Amino acid sequence: AQSVAQPEDQVNVAEGNPLTVKCTYSVSGNPYLFWYVQYPNRGLQFLLKYITGDNLVKGSYGFEAEFNKSQTSFHLKKPSALVSDSALYFCAVGGAGNMLTFGGGTRLMVKP
Amino acid sequence: NAGVTQTPKFQVLKTGQSMTLQCAQDMNHEYMSWYRQDPGMGLRLIHYSVGAGITDQGEVPNGYNVSRSTTEDFPLRLLSAAPSQTSVYFCASSYTNDNQPQHFGDGTRLSIL
Repeated sequence: AQSVAQPEDQVNVAEGNPLTVKCTYSVSGNPYLFWYVQYPNRGLQFLLKYITGDNLVKGSYGFEAEFNKSQTSFHLKKPSALVSDSALYFCAVGGAGNMLTFGGGTRLMVKP
Repeated sequence: NAGVTQTPKFQVLKTGQSMTLQCAQDMNHEYMSWYRQDPGMGLRLIHYSVGAGITDQGEVPNGYNVSRSTTEDFPLRLLSAAPSQTSVYFCASSYTNDNQPQHFGDGTRLSIL
């Protein structure tokens, strides 16, 4: 069975500083990995995905994610955080068809 | 282009009552799914459908029924609500090709008393 772990419930960062939201996964075979963001009282929005190829994936709103096969990690990064980036972030692994298995989520707080 | 529309946005039920959560999409997506979101547990898949007339169970299907009579609609039914079903429910849709980004509705917040 596949699984996703997000070890941090909350990440705090000052505006303008780089941010990292961590994700590790467990899956048999090649992983399909996703990051989604959720703003208050809204559904999830797709940020980026890794299927194959370059280990650094670029996505929406200046976010990128680094795939590391040996560490089974897929950490979300942004060089310079904005207050508007404050939200709940979910890492997910894709399974058969389009079924997603989600991590528990990490709340990102960016302070001015 | 409305995307994925869920109704109602909020609902309070008493234990034992039944209700249907509605989901509609206007993107001609073949794949639709229902998730529930509980604090600290991320989203868990309840049921999904790969096309009209085809449904299957996800990770947590007990207590829920679905049907898919059209491409656009994918309602979720609670036959006899229980307090454990208090949650936020999200509907999502995508093209059927493996691992396409999914489009989510804004959710239905359901409380069972």
